[in-house]
Amino acid sequence: AQSVAQPEDQVNVAEGNPLTVKCTYSVSGNPYLFWYVQYPNRGLQFLLKYITGDNLVKGSYGFEAEFNKSQTSFHLKKPSALVSDSALYFCAVSLPGSGNTGKLIFGQGTTLQVKP
Amino acid sequence: DVKVTQSSRYLVKRTGEKVFLECVQDMDHENMFWYRQDPGLGLRLIYFSYDVKMKEKGDIPEGYSVSREKKERFSLILESASTNQTSMYLCAIGPPGGVFRGYTFGSGTRLTVV
Repeated sequence: AQSVAQPEDQVNVAEGNPLTVKCTYSVSGNPYLFWYVQYPNRGLQFLLKYITGDNLVKGSYGFEAEFNKSQTSFHLKKPSALVSDSALYFCAVSLPGSGNTGKLIFGQGTTLQVKP
Repeated sequence: DVKVTQSSRYLVKRTGEKVFLECVQDMDHENMFWYRQDPGLGLRLIYFSYDVKMKEKGDIPEGYSVSREKKERFSLILESASTNQTSMYLCAIGPPGGVFRGYTFGSGTRLTVV
Protein backbone atom coordinates (compact mmCIF):
# COMPACT_ATOMS: atom_id res chain seq x y z
CA ALA A 1 0.00 0.00 0.00
CA GLN A 2 1.16 3.51 -0.74
CA SER A 3 1.88 5.51 2.37
CA VAL A 4 3.67 8.40 3.99
CA ALA A 5 5.22 8.20 7.44
CA GLN A 6 6.33 10.90 9.84
CA PRO A 7 8.12 8.95 12.55
CA GLU A 8 8.09 11.68 15.20
CA ASP A 9 4.89 12.93 16.82
CA GLN A 10 6.74 15.93 18.21
CA VAL A 11 10.06 17.67 17.63
CA ASN A 12 11.45 20.11 20.19
CA VAL A 13 14.22 22.57 19.33
CA ALA A 14 15.64 25.72 20.86
CA GLU A 15 15.25 28.97 18.98
CA GLY A 16 18.24 29.61 16.73
CA ASN A 17 19.10 25.92 16.38
CA PRO A 18 18.64 23.98 13.15
CA LEU A 19 15.54 21.86 12.84
CA THR A 20 14.64 18.70 10.94
CA VAL A 21 11.21 17.14 10.58
CA LYS A 22 11.38 13.68 9.07
CA CYS A 23 9.27 12.10 6.35
CA THR A 24 9.56 8.81 4.52
CA TYR A 25 7.32 7.44 1.83
CA SER A 26 6.39 4.18 0.19
CA VAL A 27 5.08 4.77 -3.32
CA SER A 28 5.52 2.97 -6.62
CA GLY A 29 7.16 5.04 -9.30
CA ASN A 30 8.36 8.61 -8.94
CA PRO A 31 6.18 10.52 -6.52
CA TYR A 32 5.61 14.22 -6.12
CA LEU A 33 6.32 15.31 -2.54
CA PHE A 34 5.01 18.21 -0.49
CA TRP A 35 5.18 19.84 2.92
CA TYR A 36 2.28 21.72 4.45
CA VAL A 37 2.10 23.62 7.76
CA GLN A 38 -0.89 24.18 10.01
CA TYR A 39 -0.85 26.98 12.56
CA PRO A 40 -3.29 26.76 15.49
CA ASN A 41 -6.93 27.15 14.42
CA ARG A 42 -5.96 27.59 10.80
CA GLY A 43 -6.16 25.55 7.62
CA LEU A 44 -3.09 24.02 6.02
CA GLN A 45 -0.66 26.19 4.10
CA PHE A 46 1.57 24.97 1.29
CA LEU A 47 5.29 25.21 2.15
CA LEU A 48 7.19 23.56 -0.66
CA LYS A 49 7.23 20.76 -3.21
CA TYR A 50 9.53 18.38 -5.01
CA ILE A 51 8.51 17.45 -8.54
CA THR A 52 11.79 16.79 -10.33
CA GLY A 53 15.29 18.20 -10.63
CA ASP A 54 17.45 19.38 -7.72
CA ASN A 55 17.14 17.23 -4.64
CA LEU A 56 17.22 20.27 -2.37
CA VAL A 57 14.12 22.42 -2.73
CA LYS A 58 13.48 25.75 -1.06
CA GLY A 59 10.12 26.98 0.12
CA SER A 60 8.35 29.59 2.19
CA TYR A 61 9.56 31.08 5.50
CA GLY A 62 13.15 29.87 5.01
CA PHE A 63 12.28 26.17 4.96
CA GLU A 64 13.90 23.67 2.64
CA ALA A 65 13.59 19.96 2.08
CA GLU A 66 15.90 17.30 0.77
CA PHE A 67 14.67 14.53 -1.49
CA ASN A 68 16.59 11.28 -1.12
CA LYS A 69 15.43 8.63 -3.55
CA SER A 70 17.56 5.78 -2.20
CA GLN A 71 16.24 6.35 1.33
CA THR A 72 12.73 7.29 0.13
CA SER A 73 12.83 10.32 2.37
CA PHE A 74 11.87 13.98 2.12
CA HIS A 75 12.99 15.65 5.34
CA LEU A 76 12.05 19.24 6.11
CA LYS A 77 14.83 21.50 7.37
CA LYS A 78 15.54 25.01 8.51
CA PRO A 79 18.98 26.33 9.50
CA SER A 80 17.75 28.50 12.36
CA ALA A 81 14.40 27.91 14.06
CA LEU A 82 12.07 30.68 15.20
CA VAL A 83 9.46 30.48 17.96
CA SER A 84 6.91 31.43 15.31
CA ASP A 85 7.74 28.19 13.43
CA SER A 86 5.91 26.25 16.15
CA ALA A 87 3.08 24.48 14.33
CA LEU A 88 1.88 21.15 12.99
CA TYR A 89 3.71 19.97 9.87
CA PHE A 90 2.42 17.49 7.31
CA CYS A 91 4.31 15.64 4.63
CA ALA A 92 2.26 14.56 1.61
CA VAL A 93 2.72 12.63 -1.60
CA SER A 94 0.83 12.75 -4.85
CA LEU A 95 0.65 9.46 -6.64
CA PRO A 96 2.24 9.16 -10.08
CA GLY A 97 -0.41 8.94 -12.75
CA SER A 98 -3.04 10.68 -10.63
CA GLY A 99 -2.83 13.40 -13.23
CA ASN A 100 -4.62 16.64 -12.81
CA THR A 101 -6.84 15.51 -9.98
CA GLY A 102 -3.77 15.46 -7.79
CA LYS A 103 -4.97 13.38 -4.87
CA LEU A 104 -2.64 13.78 -1.91
CA ILE A 105 -1.80 11.18 0.72
CA PHE A 106 -0.76 12.79 3.99
CA GLY A 107 1.46 11.65 6.82
CA GLN A 108 0.14 11.75 10.37
CA GLY A 109 1.73 15.08 11.19
CA THR A 110 4.58 16.25 13.42
CA THR A 111 4.20 18.99 16.00
CA LEU A 112 7.19 21.31 16.04
CA GLN A 113 7.80 23.14 19.31
CA VAL A 114 10.45 25.87 19.24
CA LYS A 115 11.38 27.15 22.69
CA PRO A 116 12.88 30.62 23.29
CA ASP B 1 -5.02 33.45 -4.84
CA VAL B 2 -8.22 31.48 -4.41
CA LYS B 3 -10.19 32.01 -1.22
CA VAL B 4 -11.82 28.97 0.37
CA THR B 5 -14.69 29.49 2.79
CA GLN B 6 -16.11 26.79 5.00
CA SER B 7 -19.48 27.89 6.27
CA SER B 8 -19.11 26.91 9.91
CA ARG B 9 -16.11 26.92 12.19
CA TYR B 10 -17.70 24.82 14.92
CA LEU B 11 -20.75 22.57 14.77
CA VAL B 12 -22.42 20.39 17.38
CA LYS B 13 -24.94 17.86 16.09
CA ARG B 14 -26.89 14.97 17.55
CA THR B 15 -26.46 11.34 16.60
CA GLY B 16 -28.69 10.48 13.65
CA GLU B 17 -28.97 14.03 12.32
CA LYS B 18 -28.29 14.81 8.68
CA VAL B 19 -25.38 17.24 8.52
CA PHE B 20 -24.28 19.49 5.68
CA LEU B 21 -20.79 20.98 5.53
CA GLU B 22 -20.32 23.63 2.88
CA CYS B 23 -17.21 24.71 1.03
CA VAL B 24 -17.18 27.65 -1.36
CA GLN B 25 -14.36 28.99 -3.55
CA ASP B 26 -14.23 32.43 -5.11
CA MET B 27 -12.63 31.32 -8.38
CA ASP B 28 -13.38 28.73 -11.03
CA HIS B 29 -11.12 25.86 -10.06
CA GLU B 30 -12.25 22.40 -11.01
CA ASN B 31 -10.71 20.22 -8.34
CA MET B 32 -12.20 20.25 -4.85
CA PHE B 33 -11.52 17.86 -1.98
CA TRP B 34 -12.90 16.95 1.43
CA TYR B 35 -10.54 15.62 4.08
CA ARG B 36 -10.99 14.78 7.72
CA GLN B 37 -8.17 15.42 10.18
CA ASP B 38 -7.74 13.33 13.31
CA PRO B 39 -4.83 13.38 15.77
CA GLY B 40 -2.26 10.74 14.94
CA LEU B 41 -3.95 9.90 11.64
CA GLY B 42 -3.17 13.01 9.64
CA LEU B 43 -5.54 13.95 6.84
CA ARG B 44 -7.61 11.31 5.10
CA LEU B 45 -9.44 11.89 1.83
CA ILE B 46 -13.19 11.40 1.98
CA TYR B 47 -14.36 12.51 -1.48
CA PHE B 48 -13.18 14.70 -4.29
CA SER B 49 -14.69 16.31 -7.36
CA TYR B 50 -13.03 17.41 -10.58
CA ASP B 51 -16.03 19.13 -12.13
CA VAL B 52 -19.69 19.95 -11.62
CA LYS B 53 -21.73 16.83 -10.83
CA MET B 54 -18.54 14.72 -10.93
CA LYS B 55 -17.36 13.00 -7.79
CA GLU B 56 -15.05 10.20 -6.77
CA LYS B 57 -14.62 8.33 -3.53
CA GLY B 58 -11.51 8.86 -1.53
CA ASP B 59 -10.06 6.53 1.07
CA ILE B 60 -12.82 6.77 3.71
CA PRO B 61 -16.16 7.53 1.98
CA GLU B 62 -18.35 5.35 4.21
CA GLY B 63 -21.05 7.34 5.95
CA TYR B 64 -20.54 10.38 3.72
CA SER B 65 -21.86 11.69 0.43
CA VAL B 66 -21.13 14.85 -1.55
CA SER B 67 -22.85 17.26 -3.87
CA ARG B 68 -21.46 19.61 -6.46
CA GLU B 69 -24.22 21.35 -8.36
CA LYS B 70 -22.20 24.51 -9.05
CA LYS B 71 -18.53 24.82 -9.72
CA GLU B 72 -17.82 27.05 -6.75
CA ARG B 73 -19.56 24.94 -4.10
CA PHE B 74 -18.75 21.46 -2.81
CA SER B 75 -20.89 20.06 -0.02
CA LEU B 76 -20.12 17.17 2.29
CA ILE B 77 -23.15 15.36 3.68
CA LEU B 78 -23.30 13.10 6.70
CA GLU B 79 -26.49 11.16 6.06
CA SER B 80 -26.90 10.04 9.67
CA ALA B 81 -24.25 11.50 11.94
CA SER B 82 -22.49 9.19 14.36
CA THR B 83 -20.08 9.89 17.20
CA ASN B 84 -17.16 8.42 15.23
CA GLN B 85 -17.61 11.23 12.73
CA THR B 86 -16.56 13.77 15.35
CA SER B 87 -13.55 15.34 13.65
CA MET B 88 -12.03 18.36 11.93
CA TYR B 89 -13.18 18.59 8.31
CA LEU B 90 -11.03 20.42 5.79
CA CYS B 91 -11.95 21.46 2.28
CA ALA B 92 -9.19 21.96 -0.28
CA ILE B 93 -9.05 23.45 -3.75
CA GLY B 94 -6.66 22.27 -6.44
CA PRO B 95 -5.60 24.96 -8.90
CA PRO B 96 -5.35 24.60 -12.68
CA GLY B 97 -2.23 22.61 -13.40
CA GLY B 98 -3.12 20.20 -10.67
CA VAL B 99 -1.41 19.39 -7.44
CA PHE B 100 1.93 20.84 -8.52
CA ARG B 101 0.88 24.33 -7.67
CA GLY B 102 -0.20 23.47 -4.15
CA TYR B 103 -3.63 23.12 -2.67
CA THR B 104 -5.46 25.91 -0.86
CA PHE B 105 -7.25 24.79 2.29
CA GLY B 106 -10.18 26.27 4.14
CA SER B 107 -9.90 26.98 7.86
CA GLY B 108 -11.81 23.84 8.71
CA THR B 109 -15.05 22.87 10.44
CA ARG B 110 -14.75 21.19 13.82
CA LEU B 111 -17.74 18.87 14.08
CA THR B 112 -18.81 17.29 17.34
CA VAL B 113 -21.50 14.60 17.25
CA VAL B 114 -23.13 13.97 20.62
